[in-house]
Amino acid sequence: QKEVEQNSGPLSVPEGAIASLNCTYSDRVSQSFFWYRQYSGKSPELIMSIYSNGDKEDGRFTAQLNKASQYVSLLIRDSQPSDSATYLCAVAPYDSGSRLTFGEGTQLTVNP
Amino acid sequence: GAVVSQHPSWVICKSGTSVKIECRSLDFQATTMFWYRQFPKQSLMLMATSNEGSKATYEQGVEKDKFLINHASLTLSTLTVTSAHPEDSSFYICSARELLAGGETQYFGPGTRLLVL
Repeated sequence: QKEVEQNSGPLSVPEGAIASLNCTYSDRVSQSFFWYRQYSGKSPELIMSIYSNGDKEDGRFTAQLNKASQYVSLLIRDSQPSDSATYLCAVAPYDSGSRLTFGEGTQLTVNP
Repeated sequence: GAVVSQHPSWVICKSGTSVKIECRSLDFQATTMFWYRQFPKQSLMLMATSNEGSKATYEQGVEKDKFLINHASLTLSTLTVTSAHPEDSSFYICSARELLAGGETQYFGPGTRLLVL
């Protein structure tokens, strides 16, 4: 079992729809959870970080964390063509020097 | 969010030369930085963890004598690719770790494209 698994892509949604990206992790000591967006040829860009159970909203983005189920998701409302990218889920334990464990990424395409 | 810079953004060099890449955290102190490499259409691969004031920790299979890492200050880490060869051509990306009250966050630099001829 992979440490961090993301729903297989590619994912295609029409403009204006909600895009739902899912991620599960295996290490129960994970404390920090991140969603990064990576455009082709660019480095990852932090979209959301979440540390406690529940929802966290930032503009059109909502991250949801359920530690009991070891599940974290990202919802993108009113999807735009500019949201088309690869979305990376990453987790880390909260200790000094902790490194991120990444999922394979989900490629999202928003069709105009 | 916090800003991490890398320099240079791209470099072309001859085989056998050494190339130094700088990673800076511009508005926060980073005791820990990370170096990644990414080949086209592949996932990020962690190369090493750079800790301020101490030796870097390298991932399995990464040659520490070939990829020299120095983290001399809380805002600067450098990666030197020694005696570069064409197979070292890749996209090198650093990230810097910021500790916050509720947890931690890592911000990535824009990356450095290395082409070895």
